[in-house]
Amino acid sequence: GDSVTQMEGPVTLSEEAFLTINCTYTATGYPSLFWYVQYPGEGLQLLLKATKADDKGSNKGFEATYRKETTSFHLEKGSVQVSDSAVYFCALADFGNEKLTFGTGTRLTIIP
Amino acid sequence: EADIYQTPRYLVIGTGKKITLECSQTMGHDKMYWYQQDPGMELHLIHYSYGVNSTEKGDLSSESTVSRIRTEHFPLTLESARPSHTSQYLCASRVYNEQFFGPGTRLTVL
Repeated sequence: GDSVTQMEGPVTLSEEAFLTINCTYTATGYPSLFWYVQYPGEGLQLLLKATKADDKGSNKGFEATYRKETTSFHLEKGSVQVSDSAVYFCALADFGNEKLTFGTGTRLTIIP
Repeated sequence: EADIYQTPRYLVIGTGKKITLECSQTMGHDKMYWYQQDPGMELHLIHYSYGVNSTEKGDLSSESTVSRIRTEHFPLTLESARPSHTSQYLCASRVYNEQFFGPGTRLTVL
């Protein structure tokens, strides 16, 4: 079945540091891939997505590239801010599967 | 911007009470979902619906029940709340491959 493996946290970085959160997946088909972000006390918001191999999703300075050869979708940001402190979830949607498969989430804390 | 609403946002109740968590969306999406989120952040799918009069159990067994009488409304009910039901409950709707989440209800059962 489908699965998503996410880098374990928590991750603590200084402001303006470079961020990478690793995500790898297994899927039976050709899934779409997503990163969701959850700020304290809120629901999940879609951060970015990619629907096919070599697609790059980007939003708010975050980027992730769909790598079929390594089954990965790592999240990156060149210079993090305190406001990026949140929990980040990697997810996939496989064609024909009515359910999204989520990773376990990575808590990111940015210190000034 | 997705429009999906959950009420109440916070609820503290005593053991044995019956509660209903409300979820509504104005986007006309057929597919809707309920997740339970534990303190460790992991999301567990507990119920979903393909559309009106459709309800399915999710991956995590739950004592809650759901109904889908109208497209826009997907309430979750606990007949007799217990402390083990203390959690964050997230509702979502879906179109194509994208899911949109509500703000969540944080439930505490004393």
